[in-house]
Amino acid sequence: AQSVAQPEDQVNVAEGNPLTVKCTYSVSGNPYLFWYVQYPNRGLQFLLKYITGDNLVKGSYGFEAEFNKSQTSFHLKKPSALVSDSALYFCAVRDIGGNQFYFGTGTSLTVIP
Amino acid sequence: DTAVSQTPKYLVTQMGNDKSIKCEQNLGHDTMYWYKQDSKKFLKIMFSYNNKELIINETVPNRFSPKSPDKAHLNLHINSLELGDSAVYFCASSRFRGTDHQETQYFGPGTRLLVL
Repeated sequence: AQSVAQPEDQVNVAEGNPLTVKCTYSVSGNPYLFWYVQYPNRGLQFLLKYITGDNLVKGSYGFEAEFNKSQTSFHLKKPSALVSDSALYFCAVRDIGGNQFYFGTGTSLTVIP
Repeated sequence: DTAVSQTPKYLVTQMGNDKSIKCEQNLGHDTMYWYKQDSKKFLKIMFSYNNKELIINETVPNRFSPKSPDKAHLNLHINSLELGDSAVYFCASSRFRGTDHQETQYFGPGTRLLVL
């Protein structure tokens, strides 16, 4: 079975500090991994994805994520957090054999001014 | 222009009623999805259609029936609404290239359903 886990429900970080939102996955085969962000009362927006190639993926709004095969992780990072980054972040893995996404349970990020 | 749109944005209704939520995408995508997000923000896929054909049908009560009149539309009809159906329902779309499942999903703004 394919799945994705986000171990932290809530992450708080001071503005200007680096942030990390954690994600681990379990798939049979090579993973396709995604990060989405959801602002209050909005739909999910795509941030970045890893398909193949360079383990460090750069995405929208200065976010990046590092694919680590040995640790089966795909943590989301940003060098300097902004208050406007406060939102709900979802990690997702694509089912290669089928046609659906498995989403993590979400991590609520709060950037404190 | 809105890429993926849903109507209505809010829906408040009584238990036992039948209601529909509409979704349209103007991205030229082949595949469309319905997701349910509960009060704890947990997101779960319900259905997926590719070129008007149902390809994913998760464990969802048969009171929920998707209908795809064409590639650009995927509507969700719900019969005999129950209190537990209260949630936010998201439509999404993506391109589909056979078994190459790299394509990003684009989400609509959501429909907030409250069953009283």
